[in-house]
Amino acid sequence: DQQVKQNSPSLSVQEGRISILNCDYTNSMFDYFLWYKKYPAEGPTFLISISSIKDKNEDGRFTVFLNKSAKHLSLHIVPSQPGDSAVYFCAATTYGGATNKLIFGTGTLLAVQP
Amino acid sequence: EAGVAQSPRYKIIEKRQSVAFWCNPISGHATLYWYQQILGQGPKLLIQFQNNGVVDDSQLPKDRFSAERLKGVDSTLKIQPAKLEDSAVYLCASSLGQGVVNTEAFFGQGTRLTVV
Repeated sequence: DQQVKQNSPSLSVQEGRISILNCDYTNSMFDYFLWYKKYPAEGPTFLISISSIKDKNEDGRFTVFLNKSAKHLSLHIVPSQPGDSAVYFCAATTYGGATNKLIFGTGTLLAVQP
Repeated sequence: EAGVAQSPRYKIIEKRQSVAFWCNPISGHATLYWYQQILGQGPKLLIQFQNNGVVDDSQLPKDRFSAERLKGVDSTLKIQPAKLEDSAVYLCASSLGQGVVNTEAFFGQGTRLTVV
């Protein structure tokens, strides 16, 4: 049972435009969400997170939006740069729970064209 | 600050052989995770340690996989005997602690295992 879903395996955008990566989850117990970025041959690196008490969190060019009623979150990158080309994983957890185990989605490969 | 160190980076073994991976987490991080990432999928948690105790190993195939974290620092993950479907990248991650301020996990570069 895939509790965190990223339905778009890949996305291609032009440099300078907005990139929107989507993520859906099924477990209503999740209350903390994270985005990780992964370059080839490297481990994932933390990008941005959001708690369920918020609906938006912004960090420079990166903004994450959370819609709890729809169990949906999205990552916006504005403006997109070629260096943003990577695989983006959405992850979810129950903050303060027994394990804080991260459940990852399958990832979206973002290609930013110069 | 040094990151999470893993070795080896790559390993090729034949099925039914055994293999071991090593991880050194970020200094001071109490929580250590081993993830398995099969090509085309997201990382899947195999086992989570809090200091040297196991917090979650519900998805660890215990008939062939084992892990330990001696003295609450370094950790090893072993597969014996390996199967073809174990081919994956094995990622080690660490975080400050569970249920406290920092849920963010820092990942190592991973070990790419190919079972032939």
